[in-house]
Amino acid sequence: DGGITQSPKYLFRKEGQNVTLSCEQNLNHDAMYWYRQDPGQGLRLIYYSQIVNDFQKGDIAEGYSVSREKKESFPLTVTSAQKNPTAFYLCASSIRRGGSPLHFGNGTRLTVT
Amino acid sequence: QKEVEQDPGPLSVPEGAIVSLNCTYSNSAFQYFMWYRQYSRKGPELLMYTYSSGNKEDGRFTAQVDKSSKYISLFIRDSQPSDSATYLCAMSAQETGANNLFFGTGTRLTVIP
Repeated sequence: DGGITQSPKYLFRKEGQNVTLSCEQNLNHDAMYWYRQDPGQGLRLIYYSQIVNDFQKGDIAEGYSVSREKKESFPLTVTSAQKNPTAFYLCASSIRRGGSPLHFGNGTRLTVT
Repeated sequence: QKEVEQDPGPLSVPEGAIVSLNCTYSNSAFQYFMWYRQYSRKGPELLMYTYSSGNKEDGRFTAQVDKSSKYISLFIRDSQPSDSATYLCAMSAQETGANNLFFGTGTRLTVIP
């Protein structure tokens, strides 16, 4: 079955540590996205990538970094510079940017203490 | 003013009821409209995808777009306990060179058996 796989489902880290969230898709989609979801705030775009080796900052990119070395993979690193990293992180992909619908993974719940 | 406004609820209905979920928006350039369903601790899954105005029906779900009023709706007929979830609306304008998908904050629905 085609889809988006995020791992791990739950992640716990100590403050000051960098952590990398994995996202893999086998839908052959060009565009991939990272969102952060907090209660009452909806989805906020962190980074997106439309092609391999290219990515753009979203609305809340500070404290995060990404890479897109392969079409199917778009890992997100939450750095120690991110002030409030505890959140539910969602990876998504779409055939192309713009109006095409997003397909989401099942998320990673990151807790930093 | 937010690009997309959605009543967060929560909304509780008895099993079998007709549910109406709504979003309003301010950007008249929006042309692509989506509804996502998100179960607790899962990623959003695409329910309905429509372009421009009009109605779209899929089983018990009907999506309506009224561009003149900048208002979209999702109707659920014969609601089931399995419909209990958070429903997110999303919309975007014609591709302009950057990701421009805007989400509502979600409405939490509970269908009571």
